[in-house]
Amino acid sequence: AQKITQTQPGMFVQEKEAVTLDCTYDTSDQSYGLFWYKQPSSGEMIFLIYQGSYDEQNATEGRYSLNFQKARKSANLVISASQLGDSAMYFCAMREGTDSWGKLQFGAGTQVVVTP
Amino acid sequence: EAQVTQNPRYLITVTGKKLTVTCSQNMNHEYMSWYRQDPGLGLRQIYYSMNVEVTDKGDVPEGYKVSRKEKRNFPLILESPSPNQTSLYFCASSLTGTGVSNQPQHFGDGTRLSIL
Repeated sequence: AQKITQTQPGMFVQEKEAVTLDCTYDTSDQSYGLFWYKQPSSGEMIFLIYQGSYDEQNATEGRYSLNFQKARKSANLVISASQLGDSAMYFCAMREGTDSWGKLQFGAGTQVVVTP
Repeated sequence: EAQVTQNPRYLITVTGKKLTVTCSQNMNHEYMSWYRQDPGLGLRQIYYSMNVEVTDKGDVPEGYKVSRKEKRNFPLILESPSPNQTSLYFCASSLTGTGVSNQPQHFGDGTRLSIL
C-alpha cells in the first residue's frame, strides 16, 4: 500500500504567490519523521524541511513551512512568495520509527511551474 | 565541502554488460542507501547499509548488488543489466539510520542509466 500520497501531479503558480503542496501519509507508528525534498530540472535532490511526529510546532525554514495536521495524517508544504527558481518537482517522504534502518518512503511527487 | 559523489553521471550500455556505479561520501556517515527514481513512482530504495560490512535489501533489490568495505564508499553493482533497470539512480547518506531522526539524507547528483 502506498505510504505517501501526493495527489497533485502538477500545478502552475504565479510568481510572488503562495502555493500549497499536498501530502498525506499512512503509518501506524507513533514516532515518525516527514521530509520534503526539491528536485530541479538538473536532477539533484535538495532537502527542504523536516517535521517530527512529536513536534508541537509546525516546521518553518525560510519561505518554506509545513502545515502538519497529525490527526488527518497530512503534511502539506507551503511555499510563500514563489520565485521562478522554485520551479521543480517536490517530493514528500516519510521515515517510520519501527523502520530502524532509515528508509525514506517517497510520494510520486508534484511538479511545480512558477510563471512570471 | 560536504557531499555525496556518484559516478558516472550518465551511462548508456547494453544488456548483460556488468557495470558499477560508485558512491562516496565525505561526511563520515554511517548510513548509506541506493534509490532508483522512475516516473510516477517517486524514489524506491534498492539497498541500504548501516555501517561497514552491514548491508540489507530495500524494496526493489532484484538485479542489484552492493558492498560496504569502507565507510565512505557504497558501490552499486549491476551484474547483468536489463532494460527494466533503465532509471535514474541516487545514492544517499545520513548520520544515523537507527530510529527516527531529524537527520536528512544527503543525496548525490544522480546517475542516469540507459540499458539497451
